[in-house]
Amino acid sequence: GQQVMQIPQYQHVQEGEDFTTYCNSSTTLSNIQWYKQRPGGHPVFLIQLVKSGEVKKQKRLTFQFGEAKKNSSLHITATQTTDVGTYFCAGSMETSYDKVIFGPGTSLSVIP
Amino acid sequence: DTGVSQDPRHKITKRGQNVTFRCDPISEHNRLYWYRQTLGQGPEFLTYFQNEAQLEKSRLLSDRFSAERPKGSFSTLEIQRTEQGDSAMYLCASSPGLAGELAKNIQYFGAGTRLSVL
Repeated sequence: GQQVMQIPQYQHVQEGEDFTTYCNSSTTLSNIQWYKQRPGGHPVFLIQLVKSGEVKKQKRLTFQFGEAKKNSSLHITATQTTDVGTYFCAGSMETSYDKVIFGPGTSLSVIP
Repeated sequence: DTGVSQDPRHKITKRGQNVTFRCDPISEHNRLYWYRQTLGQGPEFLTYFQNEAQLEKSRLLSDRFSAERPKGSFSTLEIQRTEQGDSAMYLCASSPGLAGELAKNIQYFGAGTRLSVL
């Protein structure tokens, strides 16, 4: 079946260090979305990537969509304690655009 | 602008009982999704609606689960004969649907209903 995978599962960084999470799909995606879930909260939409090779930036966050549209990454520069949470990628498959499949998430802890 | 609201926020029930959850989406959104999330996992797709039509249901969903969206606005998710394995956070999300090609399946989540089956 359709699967979206993420690595690593957990990441502990010192405040100020960089952080990257990687997302891979078993099938070609029509788009990829990233969400952040704070502890005790619900997922909140961050960004959507649609085009092959697309790169988008939001302040310290950089999002990339692979050329083959099967992988993506989120990079955070100089992490802050406010970055703590779980980051999920979520893909829509070309064969089922309306359904969004979430990855298992990468849980980020930032040590002050 | 009100977001997605879910009721109740918490539900404790005994095994074998039926439970029903409600979701009110963002008013102008015509798509509504139900997910289940367990600790350390991402939201797992259960089903979704376009207006009142249920367009897809996960094969992982047993016959004990049913969802409705009778007037294309709020939705209910019912679990019959609950089992301990049903304990999870049940998340509802809505999306703009046809209004805006690029944004149409961006998920706006509610706070969820946490179900505990004893």
